[in-house]
Amino acid sequence: KNQVEQSPQSLIILEGKNCTLQCNYTVSPFSNLRWYKQDTGRGPVSLTIMTFSENTKSNGRYTATLDADTKQSSLHITASQLSDSASYICVVSAYSNMLTFGGGTRLMVKP
Amino acid sequence: DTGVSQNPRHKITKRGQNVTFRCDPISEHNRLYWYRQTLGQGPEFLTYFQNEAQLEKSRLLSDRFSAERPKGSFSTLEIQRTEQGDSAMYLCASSPHPSRQGHSSYEQYFGPGTRLTVT
Repeated sequence: KNQVEQSPQSLIILEGKNCTLQCNYTVSPFSNLRWYKQDTGRGPVSLTIMTFSENTKSNGRYTATLDADTKQSSLHITASQLSDSASYICVVSAYSNMLTFGGGTRLMVKP
Repeated sequence: DTGVSQNPRHKITKRGQNVTFRCDPISEHNRLYWYRQTLGQGPEFLTYFQNEAQLEKSRLLSDRFSAERPKGSFSTLEIQRTEQGDSAMYLCASSPHPSRQGHSSYEQYFGPGTRLTVT
């Protein structure tokens, strides 16, 4: 069964600090892995998307890594801001259209 | 605003009533997806259209659920005889046809969702 597991489920950090979110998956065959940010009550917004051959991708203060051998990914947030408070969802695609979503990590950045 | 739009944004209904949601995808996106998301969980796939053809349905989509995309543009999701367990956020996403220009064509763009509360 295709599954995406994320950890931690929730995280509280102080503004300006860095943090790393983890994602493990069992989706096969692998096509691509995405990280989405979802603000409360809103739809998810894409941060990064990586295919099998990519092992790192940056988008501003967000850096995603992918290890296709161990089927693990991480999302690193640098110099966190209050606006980073949201749920971060790891999504893995077995082929171009079908997505398997993780349960998300709820991040709260406190002043 | 040229993003994915959904209406209504919120819907409160009594158990047993029928509800219908609408999704307007980004123009020229030929693929449209419906997802359901319950509180604290990631979205779950419901169904997917390529143009007007409904190509895949999740087993989550019971007989009470029906989705249409009659002209290959906007889509509707109807829930008949709603139950309290149907309370969730219903998300719509669209994507362009994949091309050889890169994996950005796999990107799905999500709408703001319709939050359904069944009392």
